[in-house]
Amino acid sequence: KNEVEQSPQNLTAQEGEFITINCSYSVGISALHWLQQHPGGGIVSLFMLSSGKKKHGRLIATINIQEKHSSLHITASHPRDSAVYICAANSNTGNQFYFGTGTSLTVIP
Amino acid sequence: ETGVTQTPRHLVMGMTNKKSLKCEQHLGHNAMYWYKQSAKKPLELMFVYNFKEQTENNSVPSRFSPECPNSSHLFLHLHTLQPEDSALYLCASSQAGQTYEQYFGPGTRLTVT
Repeated sequence: KNEVEQSPQNLTAQEGEFITINCSYSVGISALHWLQQHPGGGIVSLFMLSSGKKKHGRLIATINIQEKHSSLHITASHPRDSAVYICAANSNTGNQFYFGTGTSLTVIP
Repeated sequence: ETGVTQTPRHLVMGMTNKKSLKCEQHLGHNAMYWYKQSAKKPLELMFVYNFKEQTENNSVPSRFSPECPNSSHLFLHLHTLQPEDSALYLCASSQAGQTYEQYFGPGTRLTVT
C-alpha cells in the first residue's frame, strides 16, 4: 500500500463544474504538496501546506492533519485545467517525499 | 534562462552506452533533487543534495551516479542501464530544509534500447 493515496484516478468534468480531488496519507508530515503536471512532463507546484486552507485564484487546497487528509478544489473549471494533479507528502523524518499516483483531470468545453 | 533547466530533453541510449543528464537551476536554491517517473507509477525520489552534499539515496542502483559540483548544477551519470530504466527523469530545486516548495525542470525522457 502506497503511503499516499489519491482519488479519483481519472476525472472528466464539464467546463464550469466544481472539482474535488482527494488525498490521504499514512505518514507523519511536515508539509503536503499539490503539484500539476501537463502533457509533456513539466511539473508545477500549486500549493504547499501544513495546516488549514490556501487559495490561489480558482484553486483551493485544504488539509486536515488529524484525519491525514487533503483536498484540492477547482472552482469554475476550464479546459486549460486539464492535467494530472499529484499529491506529495513531505515526511517529517529526513528528506523523504511520498507521492500519490496522480489524478488525471479532463475538462470538456 | 530562468527556473530549472534540463538537458537533453530526450535521450535514447543502448544498454552499453554511458550518458549524462544535466540540470541547472537559476533560482539561488541550495537543494537539488533527482526524481524518476515511470509510466503508471508514482514519482520516485532518487537523490537529494543539500549544499552540494548528498543527503538521500533511496536505494538507487549504482548504474545511476549523481554528481553535484555546486549548488546550481546537478548531473546524473548513466551507464549499463536496463530497458526498465526507461522513464522521465525530473530535476527539482528548493531552499535547503524540509518544508520548502520545489521547482521542477521539464524532465528528460529516457529510452533504453
